Amino acid sequence: KAGVTQTPRYLIKTRGQQVTLSCSPISGHRSVSWYQQTPGQGLQFLFEYFSETQRNKGNFPGRFSGRQFSNSRSEMNVSTLELGDSALYLCASNKLAGAADTQYFGPGTRLTVL
Amino acid sequence: GQQVMQIPQYQHVQEGEDFTTYCNSSTTLSNIQWYKQRPGGHPVFLIQLVKSGEVKKQKRLTFQFGEAKKNSSLHITATQTTDVGTYFCAGNYGGSQGNLIFGKGTKLSVKP
Repeated sequence: KAGVTQTPRYLIKTRGQQVTLSCSPISGHRSVSWYQQTPGQGLQFLFEYFSETQRNKGNFPGRFSGRQFSNSRSEMNVSTLELGDSALYLCASNKLAGAADTQYFGPGTRLTVL
Repeated sequence: GQQVMQIPQYQHVQEGEDFTTYCNSSTTLSNIQWYKQRPGGHPVFLIQLVKSGEVKKQKRLTFQFGEAKKNSSLHITATQTTDVGTYFCAGNYGGSQGNLIFGKGTKLSVKP
């Protein structure tokens, strides 16, 4: 069974630009969660999608948004990039909504904002 | 808000020594999960604890969930160099719209 895939793996942007990251969950999984990982703040929850609906949202500004498609693939978008948005962005998939089940993480997208 | 505290932040051990990391929540958890992240890698699921007082073992790893479901620990016996990485606990406060709250992690280094 293929794992979680994320594209692109690495990205360099400049302040003010916007970026779209993609995540394809494990086949059969309908829940996708997004996390931001930084050395200072650790792993922080961004949002979760289940069956194309955002079910839960973390404490991030509105510049961070996401969506999920009918095939469960998900994208997250960050607009008006700031230097502090430099981070590893991880998506995780699981079968169930919420965090009742194992989260299977993808390899992440390393975003650098210059 | 809900927060999961994890200590220590770093642990350096000699190969063969034991290692323990602790997690604590101020409020009761529905379950707690443990993940390991190797340097340059992504978090990989280790185990989930659900029941009060639960103890689970995976070879040299022992996981415990406190009686009050507010704390948990991971103990590694006789560490090996392959144990190197950051160990995260992640608490779930329940509900279908819940999400995992991760501890800051304990970074383990093992000197051969």
